[in-house]
Parts: sequence; C-alpha cells; structure tokens
Amino acid sequence: QQQVKQSPQSLIVQKGGISIINCAYENTAFDYFPWYQQFPGKGPALLIAIRPDVSEKKEGRFTISFNKSAKQFSLHIMDSQPGDSATYFCAASISTGTASKLTFGTGTRLQVTL
Amino acid sequence: EAQVTQNPRYLITVTGKKLTVTCSQNMNHEYMSWYRQDPGLGLRQIYYSMNVEVTDKGDVPEGYKVSRKEKRNFPLILESPSPNQTSLYFCASSWGAGGHGFNEQFFGPGTRLTVL
Repeated sequence: QQQVKQSPQSLIVQKGGISIINCAYENTAFDYFPWYQQFPGKGPALLIAIRPDVSEKKEGRFTISFNKSAKQFSLHIMDSQPGDSATYFCAASISTGTASKLTFGTGTRLQVTL
Repeated sequence: EAQVTQNPRYLITVTGKKLTVTCSQNMNHEYMSWYRQDPGLGLRQIYYSMNVEVTDKGDVPEGYKVSRKEKRNFPLILESPSPNQTSLYFCASSWGAGGHGFNEQFFGPGTRLTVL
C-alpha cells in the first residue's frame, strides 16, 4: 500500500524553467512533510519541509505548496538550474508519535537541460 | 565532520552467505534507521532504533536483523541473503524520534548490494 504517491516519475526541464513535483497522501494523521534531494552516488538530504498549518513555505528557489483538504503537496523549483538535476523524494510522517517514521514517495528524477 | 558512514559501499555476494553492513554516526543521535531503495519503489524502511537496545520493525523487515549495542552503531545483518535483497541500502540517523517533533534524518552514502 503506497501511502504517499508521487508524480511524475521523471521530469525534464530547461534551464530557467519551473520544475513541479506532486505528492498525494492518504493518512490524515501525517503532520510533517519533508522533501529530500538525492544526487547520484549520495544519500538523500533534507531540502525543505512543511507542517500542515501553513499552505506554503519558501526557501530560496524552492517552494512547498500544501493543500490539506486535497491531501496534496508539491515542490516547485523556480529558475531551475543544471545543478538541481537529482532525484527528489517527498515524504510524510507523524511527528508527535513515539517513533517518527518517514514514509517516502517513489521519487522523481529531475533533469535540467541547458 | 558530522556524518553517517556505511561499510562496505559495494558488495557482491552469493545466496545464503551471511553478511553484515555496518553503520556508524558521530552526531550522538538517538534514532537510527535502515532503508532500502529500489527503482519505482522509493525508500522503504527496514528497521529502526529509538535508542540503545531498542529496535523495531519497519515496513520490510523480512530477511533482515539489526542490533543496537552502542549509540553510534547500528549494523544491518542478512543471515541468509537472497537475490530479492539485491538493493541500495541506506542508514540514517536523527537527533530524536518524535514527541518533541520530528528531526531531520541524516543519511549515509549508501551500500549497493548484489546477491547472486
């Protein structure tokens, strides 16, 4: 059972364009939604995260948009750069439980072309 | 440098030959976890540990064992590896495990395992 569904599986964007990756979740108890960025040969690293009490969080060129009623959240990368080429994972967890278990999406491979 | 280390980084083995993948963190983190990454399936949690001597199953624990005898180390043991355990494995750690809010998980560089 995939509790966090991520799309698209892969994405090609021109330099300077906007990259958009979408995720949908089922468990309404999730209350923490991070995005992880993974470069080839490396482990994932936290990029940006949001809690459901806000609808948007922006850090530099990266923005998370959150729609609690639709149970969806998305990552927007503005002015995409070749250095953004990586695999992106959305995730969700219940942070107030006794064990913070991250449930990951299936990943999106982003390629930013020149 | 704060980091999570894993060894070996690459391993090719045969069915049934016991192996251990080591994981160590130098950040004094309480929470440690193992994930496997497979194409199209993302990252799935195998086991996690809230603290020394406290471990629990994740989503895909079958065929794996773990132990947490020291705070810094969290080895993953495959007692009788099978080809379906061919995967990319990541160890991760974080400061806390919940209650006070979720904490960023720091991932190791990964171990690519092939079981023939």
